[in-house]
Amino acid sequence: DTEVTQTPKHLVMGMTNKKSLKCEQHMGHRAMYWYKQKAKKPPELMFVYSYEKLSINESVPSRFSPECPNSSLLNLHLHALQPEDSALYLCASSSQDYSTDTQYFGPGTRLTVL
Amino acid sequence: GDSVTQMEGPVTLSEEAFLTINCTYTATGYPSLFWYVQYPGEGLQLLLKATKADDKGSNKGFEATYRKETTSFHLEKGSVQVSDSAVYFCALSSGGSNYKLTFGKGTLLTVNP
Repeated sequence: DTEVTQTPKHLVMGMTNKKSLKCEQHMGHRAMYWYKQKAKKPPELMFVYSYEKLSINESVPSRFSPECPNSSLLNLHLHALQPEDSALYLCASSSQDYSTDTQYFGPGTRLTVL
Repeated sequence: GDSVTQMEGPVTLSEEAFLTINCTYTATGYPSLFWYVQYPGEGLQLLLKATKADDKGSNKGFEATYRKETTSFHLEKGSVQVSDSAVYFCALSSGGSNYKLTFGKGTLLTVNP
């Protein structure tokens, strides 16, 4: 099974709201990722967690706050977002096999910021 | 740094036509190569991959061969269906401690009945 699940599927929020995106995988993967994808563009990496520790932050604004409570779960906390943050947010996971690592993606959360 | 160049399209074909989407790459070392597909309104799905030179990845009638001499990983399918309409992304991973996937810009494929 190579399933990554994400909730919610759609989210509409105002600029003063606080919300969270959730991601879960049960493949025993030790690396988890957040990506942002704008329309007609490839995904852009935001954060990488490796063994539940933040390994990469691609200079993402602090209004996005990731959290990895355990090896199966990944959250993205959102606060004071801007309309330009509206996008598809994708979670991915990988086994972190150094030789043939493969990232598996979830279905995404479509975020609209009003 | 690593980079992936793929034909941007859009590509429009009739059902049962032959499909080729070109992908070339620049990378240090020996990257793994991937094709991901994104159907409308959905996330990315791994379509196929190859991890070393001359490997052929295949899935659902799609194939791609890892050509080190031409640094290419072209996607092919002998007979496309309407259900293959999607955006296709070529990507590479240099592996090791580098967790990053380098994506091409994506190719929109539309298959008409």
